[in-house]
Order: sequence, then structure tokens, then C-alpha cells
Amino acid sequence: DAGVIQSPRHEVTEMGQEVTLRCKPISGHDYLFWYRQTMMRGLELLIYFNNNVPIDDSGMPEDRFSAKMPNASFSTLKIQPSEPRDSAVYFCASTRRGDSYNSPLHFGNGTRLTVT
Amino acid sequence: AQSVTQLDSQVPVFEEAPVELRCNYSSSVSVYLFWYVQYPNQGLQLLLKYLSGSTLVESINGFEAEFNKSQTSFHLRKPSVHISDTAEYFCAVRDIRDDKIIFGKGTRLHILP
Repeated sequence: DAGVIQSPRHEVTEMGQEVTLRCKPISGHDYLFWYRQTMMRGLELLIYFNNNVPIDDSGMPEDRFSAKMPNASFSTLKIQPSEPRDSAVYFCASTRRGDSYNSPLHFGNGTRLTVT
Repeated sequence: AQSVTQLDSQVPVFEEAPVELRCNYSSSVSVYLFWYVQYPNQGLQLLLKYLSGSTLVESINGFEAEFNKSQTSFHLRKPSVHISDTAEYFCAVRDIRDDKIIFGKGTRLHILP
């Protein structure tokens, strides 16, 4: 298994530009999570999906952020327009619901976003 | 709403000394508890988990954590640390109702020679 795949690994963009982060979860996993990691706030949950349906997006900072999961093998996180305070490492993670909830989260290697 | 508190942002400890990383949680419902480890420039990896049964859980590399329901804690311990344990450690809870998984802010473990 290739694991959770995120792209790009690094993204540098100018303020005001649109940014799209991509994630391919592990095949067979029915949950997908997007997290943002910063020094100040740690690892924040932005949104998560179950069977491609958004369950909780209360962590999305503002309307500039949107996430989609058009099918079981692909998800995007979009920021439009981007701002310098969006600079962070964005992680995607997937898991499945086992009978005893014993399936851990599998993380991608993250996308380091820098907005100048 | 559930929350996770890791009281220490950084913990320095000498090599071969014991260490404890603290984690407290709050939740109005039952949760499952996890510790994850993050090495530099990588995503997080599962270290150990508590689901039910024995309150003491162990990992393959010598870490252990004890679930204390009355104190709502899940502290991580290791009796003797190694330089290779240098990493950031995250405590997490999974809500059994909606599978929401949230993390503490992390504790950076510095191993001193």
C-alpha cells in the first residue's frame, strides 16, 4: 500500500492567489481528515469526511477555505484568496471504522504552504 | 465538545533517564485514546492506543501509557529514553459517537547527551 499521498509537498504562493492541496487516501478507508499544523496552534482539525460526505467542517477558519471529496480516492482543500496567516503544514489523514474503532489514522507527509 | 490538553510544550531529558509526557482530556462521551509520534518533516505515526480492557497499554519500542478515567488522563511514559526518541508526541481522542479525532498541541521531547 502506498499510504496517504499528498501533493504538492511544498507550495509557495503570493497573497491573494488560489491554492489547491490534494490528497489520495488509502484504498478502503472511509474516513478522511484535513488538519493544519502551526507552532502556535498545534494540530487543528479543519474538516473530516465519511464516505465522501463532510461530517464536521466547524474547524474551517473562514469562507476562504473549502474542501471537497468527489470520490473515495480523492480530496482537495482549497484556499481562495490565500493570506500570509494561512502559512502552515496541511496534513491529510485517512482511517476506517472498525468494529472496535481500532483503526488508527494514517497520515500523509503533509503540504508545507508558504504565502508571501 | 471534547478537548485534549498536553501540559508541556517541550520536555528535555537526559539519555537513559525516564520520561513522562502528560495528557488530559475532557469529553462528555466515551472516547478512545491514542498517542502519535512525529519525526522531523514527516506525518504522524501511531505509537499506541487505548480502546478498552487493561488500562496500561504498551508500544513495541518501550513506551507505555496508562488510562486513568477518574483523572481523565492518558500520560505517556518510558523508563529509559534513547536519542532516537527525539520527536514530537501528540495525544489524541476519538469520539465514539461521530469518530471525530482531535489532537493536543504536542510535546517536543529533547534528549540530552
